[in-house]
Amino acid sequence: ETGVTQSPTHLIKTRGQQVTLRCSSQSGHNTVSWYQQALGQGPQFIFQYYREEENGRGNFPPRFSGLQFPNYSSELNVNALELDDSALYLCASSLEGGSEQYFGPGTRLTVT
Amino acid sequence: GIQVEQSPPDLILQEGANSTLRCNFSDSVNNLQWFHQNPWGQLINLFYIPSGTKQNGRLSATTVATERYSLLYISSSQTTDSGVYFCAVERVNRDDKIIFGKGTRLHILP
Repeated sequence: ETGVTQSPTHLIKTRGQQVTLRCSSQSGHNTVSWYQQALGQGPQFIFQYYREEENGRGNFPPRFSGLQFPNYSSELNVNALELDDSALYLCASSLEGGSEQYFGPGTRLTVT
Repeated sequence: GIQVEQSPPDLILQEGANSTLRCNFSDSVNNLQWFHQNPWGQLINLFYIPSGTKQNGRLSATTVATERYSLLYISSSQTTDSGVYFCAVERVNRDDKIIFGKGTRLHILP
């Protein structure tokens, strides 16, 4: 059974640019959630996708958008990058909303 | 919105000691998970525990949903237990579904 994978591992972008992060869910899981974790803080919920539809969103601006594909893998897109977007971005997959989540290793994004 | 508070924020213990980490939440939740975050940022599942008590080796957890708290017990601490412990609660019918606490940073001295 393959766990949750994320790519890339690290990324450096310039303020104003756009970035796409990718997540492959664990086999059999149809729900993916994305989180932003700033240094020294707990992860903050960005949004959740269930069967290709957005199924909940935290307090993040519209420049954070996502997508889920028929194979349940997912993308997180961030437009107009700001310095404060520098963080560890985590994705988690689960069998369905409300069930146990399993996290990927994260993508560390640095915005300069 | 719901508040999730973890205590203590920091804990330094000698190897072999026992510890209790607490997670309080301010509203009803559908489920609760405990995680250990390693130095590389990976969140490792410890317990999925909406209610009741579970044990896994030296670790155990208890959630009392009616009183809105959960406890994580670590017995006979080892240096490899060091890291940050998070609890996360989920409410499936809310937009802001999943809320993490700020974590407890545990440092085990050899």
